[in-house]
Amino acid sequence: DGGITQSPKYLFRKEGQNVTLSCEQNLNHDAMYWYRQDPGQGLRLIYYSQIVNDFQKGDIAEGYSVSREKKESFPLTVTSAQKNPTAFYLCASSIGTTGETEAFFGQGTRLTVV
Amino acid sequence: GENVEQHPSTLSVQEGDSAVIKCTYSDSASNYFPWYKQELGKRPQLIIDIRSNVGEKKDQRIAVTLNKTAKHFSLHITETQPEDSAVYFCAAKEVWGSARQLTFGSGTQLTVLP
Repeated sequence: DGGITQSPKYLFRKEGQNVTLSCEQNLNHDAMYWYRQDPGQGLRLIYYSQIVNDFQKGDIAEGYSVSREKKESFPLTVTSAQKNPTAFYLCASSIGTTGETEAFFGQGTRLTVV
Repeated sequence: GENVEQHPSTLSVQEGDSAVIKCTYSDSASNYFPWYKQELGKRPQLIIDIRSNVGEKKDQRIAVTLNKTAKHFSLHITETQPEDSAVYFCAAKEVWGSARQLTFGSGTQLTVLP
């Protein structure tokens, strides 16, 4: 099944620990995104990347970090500085950021801080 | 930046009835408006979109209308079926400008009652 893959599906983290969420795509898309989904708040953009070795902060970047060393991969690290990290995280990709490009989403990772 | 408001947050309809979800946007530069459907436990997927030079677009039982002057757009689902039950997200984007990211609404949980 080609497309965009997130792992793991469920993740538990102790307070004070950093954790990295994986996102891989085989669609040859240039742009990749990370969204946070909380009940009643829709999808909020954390970070996005338009091209390899480049990324930009979204609306809620504080407490998160990303890297884009390969076109296929865009991992998200939730750091201990993120005050309320328990949420559902969605990764997405698109051909580019310009134009009427469809965003393709992964299945998501549910992070719980215990 | 862009702000997208979506109403209602929850909507229940009887099978066979119509459902309407409304969104308003703040940035007059936005000119692309997609709708995504997220079934329970699944990833969001694009179901229909509309450009700002079009007032209405229809695809079988779903249609989207856009009022640029009032800066609002709506999703219409006719002859609803149980499989239409899902969370629906509207989004807005400026296709060619500097702010080229999708801004999502807060989502509408649609329940189709048998």
